Amino acid sequence: DSGVTQTPKHLITATGQRVTLRCSPRSGDLSVYWYQQSLDQGLQFLIQYYNGEERAKGNILERFSAQQFPDLHSELNLSSLELGDSALYFCASSVRGGRETQYFGPGTRLLVL
Amino acid sequence: AQSVTQLGSHVSVSEGALVLLRCNYSSSVPPYLFWYVQYPNQGLQLLLKYTTGATLVKGINGFEAEFKKSETSFHLTKPSAHMSDAAEYFCAVTVAGGTSYGKLTFGQGTILTVHP
Repeated sequence: DSGVTQTPKHLITATGQRVTLRCSPRSGDLSVYWYQQSLDQGLQFLIQYYNGEERAKGNILERFSAQQFPDLHSELNLSSLELGDSALYFCASSVRGGRETQYFGPGTRLLVL
Repeated sequence: AQSVTQLGSHVSVSEGALVLLRCNYSSSVPPYLFWYVQYPNQGLQLLLKYTTGATLVKGINGFEAEFKKSETSFHLTKPSAHMSDAAEYFCAVTVAGGTSYGKLTFGQGTILTVHP
């Protein structure tokens, strides 16, 4: 158990819908990262937050957004869902960032029908 | 920008045999390198990492990796495979400073199969 929790574990929804994925980092960690894992794209970095502020952005679609709240939990919002958004979404956390170990949660598996 | 190439999407070994998973990276600045393992239906777990100092890094479950700057490689090895090592392994890189600091760039992964 990494100490990072993600809810829900599974999500099935329809095209055009909007979903919210939630992540609670390890106690004491200020940085939260979101990654997408799909068969065709592999593991890709989406976005990083540090202590409530966006720190780094990857290949995140404009339909996707994220935020980190004062209690340090984070949410990833996916809207206008398409079939291709079906993937495993991981959250990871570390104390600050940089070369520190990132601890990964179990992931949320999203299926868009 | 950084990149990682894992040679061989599938590696198959016999139980007790040497495990060698290959990783080459590309980076214009000194890299920080990681190996993660993913068991079915689970998240990623850190095996080991190289940041600075000793280039031979030992990790969990008997795995080790050597950072070779001249070869831009960070291959993962284990002297004797165990059935429980069957999983997917990912090599990843990040660098210090700039907008990429902390962002992990992953290779495509290598699925390790261990035969009895």
